[in-house]
Amino acid sequence: AQKVTQAQTEISVVEKEDVTLDCVYETRDTTYYLFWYKQPPSGELVFLIRRNSFDEQNEISGRYSWNFQKSTSSFNFTITASQVVDSAVYFCALSEAFEGGGNKLTFGTGTQLKVEL
Amino acid sequence: DAGITQSPRHKVTETGTPVTLRCHQTENHRYMYWYRQDPGHGLRLIHYSYGVKDTDKGEVSDGYSVSRSKTEDFLLTLESATSSQTSVYFCAISELNPFSFSSSYNEQFFGPGTRLTVL
Repeated sequence: AQKVTQAQTEISVVEKEDVTLDCVYETRDTTYYLFWYKQPPSGELVFLIRRNSFDEQNEISGRYSWNFQKSTSSFNFTITASQVVDSAVYFCALSEAFEGGGNKLTFGTGTQLKVEL
Repeated sequence: DAGITQSPRHKVTETGTPVTLRCHQTENHRYMYWYRQDPGHGLRLIHYSYGVKDTDKGEVSDGYSVSRSKTEDFLLTLESATSSQTSVYFCAISELNPFSFSSSYNEQFFGPGTRLTVL
């Protein structure tokens, strides 16, 4: 069975600090995809990134970066120079294909990030 | 933004009453999903659909049924609501990417959510 663990329930930082959100996953699949979603206080879910299991290059997008390490089954998310607008719940998810097409996302429990002035 | 709407956005109902939540999309995506979000659990899949009249169960399907008579609409029904079904419900959609070898590649686009309270 697929499992995603986000051990950090809540993190508080001061603006401009760097912060890393941890994600550890379990799967028996040899090929898989991982996702990060953001849920701001308004409640919608916003797609941030997708990463496949055979590409271990780190990815950077502005102040966001992701570190995928297959050897430790981790897909960590770092925000550099955090801002108040980064305050949200962040979810890591593991994707599993359905036979009829489509896919199931197994989500972690989320990490609540609070960025204060 | 993907064109996904959910109705109602908020609902309060009593134990034992039937409830239907609606998800409507304008993207013509083939796959649709219903998730529930609860503290300490993240989001969990209730049911999904891989085409009109084609649906299957997710990991927390007990007490729920779904129907999809048109590509654009996916209905979630609680036949007899219980307090344990108090939750935030999200609809999601996805489509196959012709350049990907696996549907596990597909990102899902989520609706705004429905907050359901069962008293």
